Amino acid sequence: DIQMTQSPSSLSASVGDRVTITCRASQSISNSLNWYQQKPGKAPNLLIFAASNLQSGVPSRFSGSGSGTDFTLTINSLHPEDFATYFCQQSYSSLVTFGPGTKVDIK
Amino acid sequence: EVQLLESGGDLVQPGGSLRLSCAASGFTFSNYAMAWVRQAPGKGLEWVSSIASGGSTSYADSVKGRFTISRDNSKSTVSVQMNSLRAEDTAVYYCARYYCDSRSCYRSYDYWGQGALVTVSS
Repeated sequence: DIQMTQSPSSLSASVGDRVTITCRASQSISNSLNWYQQKPGKAPNLLIFAASNLQSGVPSRFSGSGSGTDFTLTINSLHPEDFATYFCQQSYSSLVTFGPGTKVDIK
Repeated sequence: EVQLLESGGDLVQPGGSLRLSCAASGFTFSNYAMAWVRQAPGKGLEWVSSIASGGSTSYADSVKGRFTISRDNSKSTVSVQMNSLRAEDTAVYYCARYYCDSRSCYRSYDYWGQGALVTVSS
């Protein structure tokens, strides 16, 4: 199976900050990488698909980049509603795997 | 409006069985692959199983041989039969739809249900 890691596991930030979360795959996955946001008690919400494509309805302050094994989710100018946990997910293999998550909380 | 509604979550003893169902509406169900993703309490997301629009299936190693996914396009439902349940199967189980746009399908999930809680305990 393809293993996914994320860093950091958690971070504290302030409204207006620029936040960067990194995801790494154990092998090359081309651009088959997706990002989700999850708030407590809710289902995940797709933010970015195929590494850099913004899902419809997602604010443009979210962006994704990377290919191969290293990927980044960036949130420009953090909003109060962005405090949540973020997961990456590889879709290169039919055996889908998720990263362990990065919790973004208020400083 | 796309909606996915899971049902069937319950408390079950180790070794027992349970069937979860997901009723879909608001889209042409037969055109989409579907998946089950679970989340143990306080933990991350784990893909469980998927079924393609044509019916081919895939399973995580952790459930292979114990879980069976199926779909009924006439009723717009996807189900997972879970046998030989273990304590480590305790989780919220989400039904999710594969995302497709005009160009391709991406094996990412654009719509999720609200989740069904499965607790395996004696």
